[in-house]
Amino acid sequence: GEDVEQSLFLSVREGDSSVINCTYTDSSSTYLYWYKQEPGAGLQLLTYIFSNMDMKQDQRLTVLLNKKDKHLSLRIADTQTGDSAIYFCAESGNTPLVFGKGTRLSVIA
Amino acid sequence: ETGVTQTPRHLVMGMTNKKSLKCEQHLGHNAMYWYKQSAKKPLELMFVYSLEERVENNSVPSRFSPECPNSSHLFLHLHTLQPEDSALYLCASSQETGGTEQFFGPGTRLTVL
Repeated sequence: GEDVEQSLFLSVREGDSSVINCTYTDSSSTYLYWYKQEPGAGLQLLTYIFSNMDMKQDQRLTVLLNKKDKHLSLRIADTQTGDSAIYFCAESGNTPLVFGKGTRLSVIA
Repeated sequence: ETGVTQTPRHLVMGMTNKKSLKCEQHLGHNAMYWYKQSAKKPLELMFVYSLEERVENNSVPSRFSPECPNSSHLFLHLHTLQPEDSALYLCASSQETGGTEQFFGPGTRLTVL
């Protein structure tokens, strides 16, 4: 079945850029999503990209998609302590979303 | 406010208790989901409902019993749980099941003693 892989942890210093990477296997994916989960809360949609796009920018967030390599990344510019959370990558084809295990981002002041 | 609410937010129960988790979505969506999130398995899909019919059940033990009386409400009935069932239970909804964006509730933190 479809699979989504992410590294589990990332630490960055406040003010630096964070890059969270994700790989997926489903070549029929139409949308790819990034969700953020803060402690004790549910998942919130951060941003998404349609599969025929290479890049999407939304304020401090930049999503890059390499469809050939099935690689998705989320770049957070000027990372703040409030960005500390778990970030989930998810892909969609014709089935319910398939989520990665999440990357825990720790921002060091 | 995501439009998906869950109650209770926290629940502590003994192994012989029977309790229910409730989820309500105010988004007019046709699909609803239960997920289990624990330290061992960050996000496990448990059940999927589309238009009040269960379409997916990922080998969940029978001590978890879902109910979807209408497209806006989803319940998870719990009985004779085990301590390893302690986790955050997340409800989500989406317009359709076919890979559209899911909106999540805040979750119920369940502790089984």
